[in-house]
Amino acid sequence: KAGVTQTPRYLIKTRGQQVTLSCSPISGHRSVSWYQQTPGQGLQFLFEYFSETQRNKGNFPGRFSGRQFSNSRSEMNVSTLELGDSALYLCASSQTTRGRGGYEQYFGPGTRLTVT
Amino acid sequence: SQQGEEDPQALSIQEGENATMNCSYKTSINNLQWYRQNSGRGLVHLILIRSNEREKHSGRLRVTLDTSKKSSSLLITASRAADTASYFCATPLLTQGGSEKLVFGKGMKLTVNP
Repeated sequence: KAGVTQTPRYLIKTRGQQVTLSCSPISGHRSVSWYQQTPGQGLQFLFEYFSETQRNKGNFPGRFSGRQFSNSRSEMNVSTLELGDSALYLCASSQTTRGRGGYEQYFGPGTRLTVT
Repeated sequence: SQQGEEDPQALSIQEGENATMNCSYKTSINNLQWYRQNSGRGLVHLILIRSNEREKHSGRLRVTLDTSKKSSSLLITASRAADTASYFCATPLLTQGGSEKLVFGKGMKLTVNP
């Protein structure tokens, strides 16, 4: 199976602009989670989508939004970019996140966003 | 909120030596996972250990879980330069609706010198 793919891999934007990142999960995976990784804060959970519905959301402002399509592909959007949004954005897919048996997440290579 | 914390935050060893990383967490969990991240890349799942397991092996990796102490350790034996990476422990946080989200520690940077 092909792994999780993210596009673009690198992006440079200026403050105030908006950006859309894309994630294609592993075939058959219905859950897509997004994370922001910065040197100071580490890996922070943004949100999770499952079958086109946002199921969980982290503590990020409303400028961060996402959606999932019927083919499980997901996009995240950041509006009115700030310097502090510079980060590596990672998406991860899994078959499910329900149940308490634990589930493995498969990560994409990430999108490196630089805001100037 | 930070659930798992790795210790030490950085470790530098010679090839062939063993590397041990520890993870402490705060609340009761039903499983704990370890991931590896090569510089600036995505995370790779290494191993998942459930709360009813005390020890688990995968190749050169050995993971232990002590639920009474709320801690886990990852041992990499006979380390190689290719093991140079950051290692994260991840614990589940049950959310409303019954799904789990993974909460990652800040990671531990391992450098294996050839």
